[in-house]
Amino acid sequence: DAGVTQSPTHLIKTRGQQVTLRCSPKSGHDTVSWYQQALGQGPQFIFQYYEEEERQRGNFPDRFSGHQFPNYSSELNVNALLLGDSALYLCASSLAGTGLVSYEQYFGPGTRLTVT
Amino acid sequence: GQQLNQSPQSMFIQEGEDVSMNCTSSSIFNTWLWYKQEPGEGPVLLIALYKAGELTSNGRLTAQFGITRKDSFLNISASIPSDVGIYFCAGLWVQGAQKLVFGQGTRLTINP
Repeated sequence: DAGVTQSPTHLIKTRGQQVTLRCSPKSGHDTVSWYQQALGQGPQFIFQYYEEEERQRGNFPDRFSGHQFPNYSSELNVNALLLGDSALYLCASSLAGTGLVSYEQYFGPGTRLTVT
Repeated sequence: GQQLNQSPQSMFIQEGEDVSMNCTSSSIFNTWLWYKQEPGEGPVLLIALYKAGELTSNGRLTAQFGITRKDSFLNISASIPSDVGIYFCAGLWVQGAQKLVFGQGTRLTINP
């Protein structure tokens, strides 16, 4: 049973550039959430995708956008990178389909983004 | 917005000791989750709590969902070296989407 996978593992970008991070949910899950974890902090909710639509967004600017594909995988895009965007980006999957709902979110290993 | 206060921020204990950490909030949550994170890894789900007053165990770990729905605690009994890591509490905010609100984490260090 494949868990949540993320790619790439590490990424180094320059200020002003754009980045795309990818996530494949745990088998059987249909919902993907993205979190940003700064060093020494707990993860902060960015947004959640279900049925290819953004359901809710946390307190993040429009530079952060996402997408969910029909196979439930997801991408996180960040435009006009700032130094403060350096963090571990975590993807979590869960099940929110009709009838059977699980509020347990399972995390991938994350993508470490460094902006120089 | 919702905030969770997790304490203590760090703990230094001897192997074999019991550990207790807690999480409080000014907001009500319907679900509490406890995660453990090790360096270079994503958080791993340890215990999920769904009802106020619920007490749930997972091996040497025991967690409780506070009666007021504004707090939760996690106990680890007879700690071992592999318990080292950062423990996070998370409240689940269900209003359209399922948004997890995390505490700041408790860093556990164990002296053998």
